[in-house]
Amino acid sequence: AQSVTQLDSQVPVFEEAPVELRCNYSSSVSVYLFWYVQYPNQGLQLLLKYLSGSTLVKGINGFEAEFNKSQTSFHLRKPSVHISDTAEYFCASRGGGSYIPTFGRGTSLIVHP
Amino acid sequence: KAGVTQTPRYLIKTRGQQVTLSCSPISGHRSVSWYQQTPGQGLQFLFEYFSETQRNKGNFPGRFSGRQFSNSRSEMNVSTLELGDSALYLCASSLAGGANTGELFFGEGSRLTVL
Repeated sequence: AQSVTQLDSQVPVFEEAPVELRCNYSSSVSVYLFWYVQYPNQGLQLLLKYLSGSTLVKGINGFEAEFNKSQTSFHLRKPSVHISDTAEYFCASRGGGSYIPTFGRGTSLIVHP
Repeated sequence: KAGVTQTPRYLIKTRGQQVTLSCSPISGHRSVSWYQQTPGQGLQFLFEYFSETQRNKGNFPGRFSGRQFSNSRSEMNVSTLELGDSALYLCASSLAGGANTGELFFGEGSRLTVL
């Protein structure tokens, strides 16, 4: 079964600073990877996804992630965060023949003014 | 294109009661999944329905059940509610078959409080 580890439960950062949210997944022959964002009292929405091809994936709101097969990582980055980026971020993977993605425990990004 | 719609958004029940939550997927999406989200456990997969059949099931007791109708709308039911069932219940829809990359489209959730 797939597993996804988000290494930080909470990441505080100041506005306009860069941020990296870390995600590691269990290896699979083929894997699809996702980052979702959840704002307070809302459902999750897709930030970006890796299906195949270029290992650098760009998403909405200025976020990007890099697929690293050798390190089984899919870290999320943003060069300059805004207060409005304060939210919960979930990494997910789908692979190994399962239709169901596996989610990490989430990372709370807190942006301070 | 309308998104995933969940009703009700908020509800309060007492222990021992039962509850039914509803989910209308995005038009054309035939797969509907349900998740329970709590601060301590994160996102826990409940079950997935496709073409009115439960295709996958998570590790939850039999008090949690669901169904899907011919128009792909889905309901989940929790019987004999316990305090620990208090959570945000999220529904997500997705394309099925070969087009299914696993990308999910979530509703805003139904927040259940059990007193």
